[in-house]
Amino acid sequence: QSALTQPPSASGSPGQSVTISCTGTSSDVGVYNYVSWYQQHPGKAPKLKIYEVSKRPSGVPDRFSGSKSGNTASLTVSGLQAEDEADYYCSSYAGSGVVFGGGTKLTVL
Amino acid sequence: QLQLQESGPGLVKPSETLSLTCTVSGGSITDTAYYWGWVRQTPGKGLEWIGTIYYSGSTYYNPSLKSRVTISVDTSKIQFSLKLTSVTAADTAVYYCARVTPGCVNCAFDYWGRGTLVTVSS
Repeated sequence: QSALTQPPSASGSPGQSVTISCTGTSSDVGVYNYVSWYQQHPGKAPKLKIYEVSKRPSGVPDRFSGSKSGNTASLTVSGLQAEDEADYYCSSYAGSGVVFGGGTKLTVL
Repeated sequence: QLQLQESGPGLVKPSETLSLTCTVSGGSITDTAYYWGWVRQTPGKGLEWIGTIYYSGSTYYNPSLKSRVTISVDTSKIQFSLKLTSVTAADTAVYYCARVTPGCVNCAFDYWGRGTLVTVSS
């Protein structure tokens, strides 16, 4: 199991939209519709924002959306707010196991 | 509201065994819809899945850790546990226990404990 590839950083101004990519392989992202996205603020546990590529858990605003094309999944945060500044991690089911991405630090300018 | 709480020693000596327990409250560890897992995060680094267990005892482990990991469940105590043998400094991390979303073995983790820092040092 190899880690999924994410850009180390992303940024946007309040109100703007930003998209974070997550690239895997035909053994994980490309073959399973079980991509998840987590938000992590410093010193806190990760919080699930998206699961099964594009589903939002109860309580997660629709400003957060997910998609997938081939071996690459994406998280889009629309209407950026200061509170969205955090680290974001993707993960994928990988045939009985789980693989995570290296994380992307989102900065709200 | 479901809550998970990790507990165990914060300091482990090299070559020894790391042992942690996750206590589940506000929900049932024997609920047939859910699996339960362990994830760790090394300082300043990303997340790494360690393994997952079902209340019946079925387990799934990260291949890179499989030879050193044992996850078990104690349904009477509403706890599940992690043992990692022959630890080195590379095992220093924040260890999280978490619940897997329903209907899938390892699809996503929807509830997490606060995490516990384990340092491997003599």
